[in-house]
Amino acid sequence: EAQVTQNPRYLITVTGKKLTVTCSQNMNHEYMSWYRQDPGLGLRQIYYSMNVEVTDKGDVPEGYKVSRKEKRNFPLILESPSPNQTSLYFCASSKGGNQPQHFGDGTRLSIL
Amino acid sequence: KQEVTQIPAALSVPEGENLVLNCSFTDSAIYNLQWFRQDPGKGLTSLLLIQSSQREQTSGRLNASLDKSSGRSTLYIAASQPGDSATYLCVLVPGGTSYGKLTFGQGTILTVHP
Repeated sequence: EAQVTQNPRYLITVTGKKLTVTCSQNMNHEYMSWYRQDPGLGLRQIYYSMNVEVTDKGDVPEGYKVSRKEKRNFPLILESPSPNQTSLYFCASSKGGNQPQHFGDGTRLSIL
Repeated sequence: KQEVTQIPAALSVPEGENLVLNCSFTDSAIYNLQWFRQDPGKGLTSLLLIQSSQREQTSGRLNASLDKSSGRSTLYIAASQPGDSATYLCVLVPGGTSYGKLTFGQGTILTVHP
């Protein structure tokens, strides 16, 4: 089954403790991206990747890192999480600019 | 910078009504526009994708139109049902080399009551 898989689905952690949210897709998509969703602000793009070893900042990249060493994986890294990064995070992938976006089920992060 | 506005922000209708959700955007240089639904606490489910060269797409009771010249897209839902209750989002994929920078609307919260 074609899918985008995020892990974990839920995480409660403390300020400053490094964490990684994994994202994996099995559709051989070149494009992958990360978003956060906050009440009243909607979905905002954090980072995106057009292909392996090619990443670029979205609208809200501060406090986040990404890597794209393999085509199928695009992890989101919070080196020193802070409470303002408490949010619902989504990963997405697509074949290219004119192809539909496929979203994961989301990861709910709470930073205390 | 692309700006996307969805109107209305919320809509409550009785079951069986036909309804229209609106999405307007400021930059017409787009690859495509995609409509999603999101149920509370869940991920995004793709509904329809309209390429920049297309005027409309249909799937079952859903019809989406695109008018790039006026910067508008509409999602038409026929014979609404309580199961249609969700948040509806439009997403724009820009044209050219910046197609990675997607822009989302804030969404329309739809409630269909029996």
